[in-house]
Amino acid sequence: NAGVMQNPRHLVRRRGQEARLRCSPMKGHSHVYWYRQLPEEGLKFMVYLQKENIIDESGMPKERFSAEFPKEGPSILRIQQVVRGDSAAYFCASSPPALTNYGYTFGSGTRLTVV
Amino acid sequence: GENVEQHPSTLSVQEGDSAVIKCTYSDSASNYFPWYKQELGKGPQLIIDIRSNVGEKKDQRIAVTLNKTAKHFSLHITETQPEDSAVYFCAASKIGNEKLTFGTGTRLTIIP
Repeated sequence: NAGVMQNPRHLVRRRGQEARLRCSPMKGHSHVYWYRQLPEEGLKFMVYLQKENIIDESGMPKERFSAEFPKEGPSILRIQQVVRGDSAAYFCASSPPALTNYGYTFGSGTRLTVV
Repeated sequence: GENVEQHPSTLSVQEGDSAVIKCTYSDSASNYFPWYKQELGKGPQLIIDIRSNVGEKKDQRIAVTLNKTAKHFSLHITETQPEDSAVYFCAASKIGNEKLTFGTGTRLTIIP
């Protein structure tokens, strides 16, 4: 039973380019969450999605960031026109319904470096 | 919104001794409190969690205590081992709201 799969593990982008981060949840998990972690800091919530629905995007920056979880395929976090401040580790997590019964399972993250 | 504070930020403990990490939360409606361990270059891993209808939970060398009145909860690791060295995060959430608010982390170092 594979865990949460994130790719790529490392991504380097020049300022102004687009970054696409992919996340495949654990089998049987229908809820996906994206978190951002800056160096030496905790994880900050970005967005919570179910299949074809954004449930809570209160942590997403208002511009340049978007997320989707289509009916088929992985969840995608998209960052347009990246800037140096976007450099961080981006973690995806998944859970079955009722988080508080099971907790999240995190992937290994995508480390984005903007040069 | 919820605010979670975590102390200490770094902790060094002699192997075999106990380690305690403390967190406070601000929203009295929060009722789910997980702890995560993050090793270098990896994602956080859930190690133990507690719900607000319980005051204490134990799993082998790890225990968590919760004081709802004071709005604080603690992680206790006994008989520490070198493999316990990692960054530990506490978090808080409300049932029905799947968003976790994390503390800023504690870097635990076990000294052989």
